[in-house]
Amino acid sequence: AQSVAQPEDQVNVAEGNPLTVKCTYSVSGNPYLFWYVQYPNRGLQFLLKYITGDNLVKGSYGFEAEFNKSQTSFHLKKPSALVSDSALYFCAVRAYNQGGKLIFGQGTELSVKP
Amino acid sequence: DGGITQSPKYLFRKEGQNVTLSCEQNLNHDAMYWYRQDPGQGLRLIYYSQIVNDFQKGDIAEGYSVSREKKESFPLTVTSAQKNPTAFYLCASDSQRTALSQPQHFGDGTRLSIL
Repeated sequence: AQSVAQPEDQVNVAEGNPLTVKCTYSVSGNPYLFWYVQYPNRGLQFLLKYITGDNLVKGSYGFEAEFNKSQTSFHLKKPSALVSDSALYFCAVRAYNQGGKLIFGQGTELSVKP
Repeated sequence: DGGITQSPKYLFRKEGQNVTLSCEQNLNHDAMYWYRQDPGQGLRLIYYSQIVNDFQKGDIAEGYSVSREKKESFPLTVTSAQKNPTAFYLCASDSQRTALSQPQHFGDGTRLSIL
């Protein structure tokens, strides 16, 4: 079965420090992977995606993600965290042999303190 | 600008009442989705539609109904059979029929509560 796991419910980081939000996946075939961010009482905003090619993907607001096929991981990273990065982050995989539905992880709450 | 509009932003349901959540998109997307979000549970798929006049149940369809009479619109009805409707409901759309690599776009949600 296709699945996505975000092993940390919450990640706490000091402003200016690097941040990592973890994601692992299980999918048949080549994965289409996505990261989204959600601010309180808002919808999800697309950050970045991995389709094929370079394992380091750059996205919006200075975020990037590293795809590792052998570890089936797609961790979200940012070199220097901002307080405004505090939000809920979701990893998702496209299950293209299940009608193309997106399967989401449980979400990770990122808290960046000044 | 193109996007997805959900209304209302807040909705209250009385016991035994059906309520309908609106979702409209002007992105010319074929596929539309409804998700339910509860704290600590991520997003769960309620229904989705890949084309007009066709839709499929997601993982938690019981107590909900949808229609897809127009490409732009995908309303969700929360029926009285849904005993725990309090949640944040998100509508999304994408062009996955033609491009699986494209992300889903989301509306800003409707928060439904029981009176």
